[in-house]
Amino acid sequence: NAGVMQNPRHLVRRRGQEARLRCSPMKGHSHVYWYRQLPEEGLKFMVYLQKENIIDESGMPKERFSAEFPKEGPSILRIQQVVRGDSAAYFCASSAGRTGSTSDTQYFGPGTRLTVL
Amino acid sequence: QKEVEQDPGPLSVPEGAIVSLNCTYSNSAFQYFMWYRQYSRKGPELLMYTYSSGNKEDGRFTAQVDKSSKYISLFIRDSQPSDSATYLCAMSGDSNYQLIWGAGTKLIIKP
Repeated sequence: NAGVMQNPRHLVRRRGQEARLRCSPMKGHSHVYWYRQLPEEGLKFMVYLQKENIIDESGMPKERFSAEFPKEGPSILRIQQVVRGDSAAYFCASSAGRTGSTSDTQYFGPGTRLTVL
Repeated sequence: QKEVEQDPGPLSVPEGAIVSLNCTYSNSAFQYFMWYRQYSRKGPELLMYTYSSGNKEDGRFTAQVDKSSKYISLFIRDSQPSDSATYLCAMSGDSNYQLIWGAGTKLIIKP
């Protein structure tokens, strides 16, 4: 049973380019979450998606960042016109999304480390 | 002031010692409390999950929540070098998904 998969593991972009980060959830999971982790800091929630729906994007910067989780294929976090401050580790998590449960464990992928030159 | 405070460490202890890791928080609405372990260059791995107050034990790990003091702890008994990692606390309120994270405590277990 493969865990959460993210690719690429490392991504280098120059300022102004676009970055696309992919996340394939665990088998049977339909809920995906994206987090950003800066050095020496905790993870920061960015966005919560279900298939074809954005449930909560309150943690996403208003400009340049977007996320999708299409009916087929992985979830994509897209950063347009990257700046040096976007350099960070981006983690994706998935869960089964048991409605009404007090526990909906999020399982994390290995992360994508984005470096903006 | 951050919503969740966690001492970054590093915390260095000899093998076999009991380790105590802690977080404090300011939001009284938090009800779900988690501890994750993160090895270098890896994603966080859930260790313990607690709802509301109380204790929970799983093998060598014990999680405690004191909502009156807004304080949570993770205890590791008989610590092993393989326990060396960064330990992150995370918590949430009604949403149960928008986790608020501590910065993590780096733990080093010396053989």
